[in-house]
Amino acid sequence: SQQGEEDPQALSIQEGENATMNCSYKTSINNLQWYRQNSGRGLVHLILIRSNEREKHSGRLRVTLDTSKKSSSLLITASRAADTASYFCATDESNYKLTFGKGTLLTVNP
Amino acid sequence: GAVVSQHPSWVICKSGTSVKIECRSLDFQATTMFWYRQFPKQSLMLMATSNEGSKATYEQGVEKDKFLINHASLTLSTLTVTSAHPEDSSFYICSALTGGKLFFGSGTQLSVL
Repeated sequence: SQQGEEDPQALSIQEGENATMNCSYKTSINNLQWYRQNSGRGLVHLILIRSNEREKHSGRLRVTLDTSKKSSSLLITASRAADTASYFCATDESNYKLTFGKGTLLTVNP
Repeated sequence: GAVVSQHPSWVICKSGTSVKIECRSLDFQATTMFWYRQFPKQSLMLMATSNEGSKATYEQGVEKDKFLINHASLTLSTLTVTSAHPEDSSFYICSALTGGKLFFGSGTQLSVL
């Protein structure tokens, strides 16, 4: 069953602006991960946040996790045209079996 | 970083034929690999967990006789779509587990005519 649900489904911004994507899930998790996918390509792992963590940073990425609300957000600061891609959250309930959300298509206009 | 090679990148086949997709871990050994499928503009859905030396574990609703998985070595898992039909057309992606992290292949676009 579908676990993670991202919103918005699509986001269009100008270069230099920040992009925020949200993800909600339904069950208990070990960790939540964010991935990036360029059109027709494989996935690139961006960041992992464990269930006992509330916030994590990696370069221009900032991820938050609220286990009480079963939600997470991904913030990309100072966006670039090269950030244009689909972004997926994925929850790991056990044994690295990931359940992916529907994704957010981010378009960064130069 | 760890590299997972998936081959072929794309394949077109006639309805009723079988197609084999390979997933290789190039610089590490992976006892566990996962297979996903993705329909256009949709999310990835886990199909099965491939374990080296044992039978794959399939997710609910995935036909094991339709999607044959073989994980014969620590660096190779194969997914064979048997008697493919147009509804099997999809993007198939594998991932390999090592050091507590998952690394994904670049995917295979299957088009069944």
